[in-house]
Amino acid sequence: DTGVSQNPRHKITKRGQNVTFRCDPISEHNRLYWYRQTLGQGPEFLTYFQNEAQLEKSRLLSDRFSAERPKGSFSTLEIQRTEQGDSAMYLCASSSGGQGQPQHFGDGTRLSIL
Amino acid sequence: AQSVTQLDSQVPVFEEAPVELRCNYSSSVSVYLFWYVQYPNQGLQLLLKYLSGSTLVESINGFEAEFNKSQTSFHLRKPSVHISDTAEYFCAVTKRSNDYKLSFGAGTTVTVRA
Repeated sequence: DTGVSQNPRHKITKRGQNVTFRCDPISEHNRLYWYRQTLGQGPEFLTYFQNEAQLEKSRLLSDRFSAERPKGSFSTLEIQRTEQGDSAMYLCASSSGGQGQPQHFGDGTRLSIL
Repeated sequence: AQSVTQLDSQVPVFEEAPVELRCNYSSSVSVYLFWYVQYPNQGLQLLLKYLSGSTLVESINGFEAEFNKSQTSFHLRKPSVHISDTAEYFCAVTKRSNDYKLSFGAGTTVTVRA
C-alpha cells in the first residue's frame, strides 16, 4: 500500500491560467474522490468516480472544472480560467467498494492564484 | 442532506491531560461516522470509524469515540494526550445508502502544551 499520491504538491499561477492536478489512487481501489478544502474549513466534496465512470458532481464544480479518470486508474482535475476564489487545497481520496469502506486521502495540491 | 457540527474550533490542552472533541450530526437517514486527523501540510488520516455494532470504537493510538444515536453525537476522547497529538481533527458523516460522499465538520484544532 503506497498510499494516494498527488502532484504537484503546490501550484502557483496567475489568474486566468489553466491548471491540472493529478491523483494516483491506491492501486486496488476502484473508487476515487476529489474534495476542496479552504482555510479553516473541512473538505467539501467535488466529484466521485467508480472505475472510469464519473457518477456524481457537486454543484461546487462549475463549468470551469473538469475531472477525468481514464481507464479507471489515475485521475486529473483541470481548472480553466482560474479565479482568486479557486485558491484552496485540492484533496484526492480513494477507497475500495463495499459498504462503509473508509476513504484514504493524499497530501493534496495547494493552489495559489496570484 | 447530512451536516456535521464540531462544537469547538480550538482546544488547548496540557500534555497528559484528557481531551474531548465534540461532534454532532444531522441526517434523516442512517449514517456511517468517521474521525480524521490532519497534520500541517498533509492530507487527512483516518482515526476511527463507526459502521455498526458496539457504539464505542477505539483507535490504535488511544483515541476512542462513542456513537450516541439519540443525541446524534460522535464525540472523540483521549484520556491522556501527547505533544504529537497536536493537529486538526475532523468529524465526517456519510449516508449508509450512498456512502461515497463524506460531509465534514469545520474541524477542531488541538494544541497540546508541555
